Amino acid sequence: NAGVTQTPKFQVLKTGQSMTLQCAQDMNHNSMYWYRQDPGMGLRLIYYSASEGTTDKGEVPNGYNVSRLNKREFSLRLESAAPSQTSVYFCASMPYQYQPQHFGDGTRLSIL
Amino acid sequence: RKEVEQDPGPFNVPEGATVAFNCTYSNSASQSFFWYRQDCRKEPKLLMSVYSSGNEDGRFTAQLNRASQYISLLIRDSKLSDSATYLCVVKTGNDYKLSFGAGTTVTVRA
Repeated sequence: NAGVTQTPKFQVLKTGQSMTLQCAQDMNHNSMYWYRQDPGMGLRLIYYSASEGTTDKGEVPNGYNVSRLNKREFSLRLESAAPSQTSVYFCASMPYQYQPQHFGDGTRLSIL
Repeated sequence: RKEVEQDPGPFNVPEGATVAFNCTYSNSASQSFFWYRQDCRKEPKLLMSVYSSGNEDGRFTAQLNRASQYISLLIRDSKLSDSATYLCVVKTGNDYKLSFGAGTTVTVRA
């Protein structure tokens, strides 16, 4: 009963390093999402994939890239990490357009 | 104007009390509505969907008022474990995005 799985759970990077956050869902959902949440703030959409083979920018896409590898997996890449990208990152999936989203338990990323 | 607005609170209530709060949305064409719960530094979890006629799930009651464009959440007989941030979520438009409110914090004290 895994649902949405994110790896890693925690990561510390130095400014300028790159890394990829992984997300996989086993619920056969069509759509997948990446959000960031900063202290005291709401969720902000980075990128999303409405269906396998498509990706679209959200509210705060700068500094990030995504890949929808297959229906199960949606990765988020930071090419050159900046301290402003220190945040908690949540991946979510959604079965169909008017359904709720299901979240992974997050990746806590610190960039020094 | 934000698509979804919530009173951030906090609402501090004693155990056993009833607490209620609203969420307003800006787009009258919004189609789907949800309440999520988020514990400190954890992932948001679906609490309940909100249906046009209103719906109840145990101690939780959700209402939708399309005329005034708000949804509400009422918690009866509050438990310590109800302490959390409650996120209002609205689906608007033909894309695949949801709009999240910033959350209402509820603290239940013994």
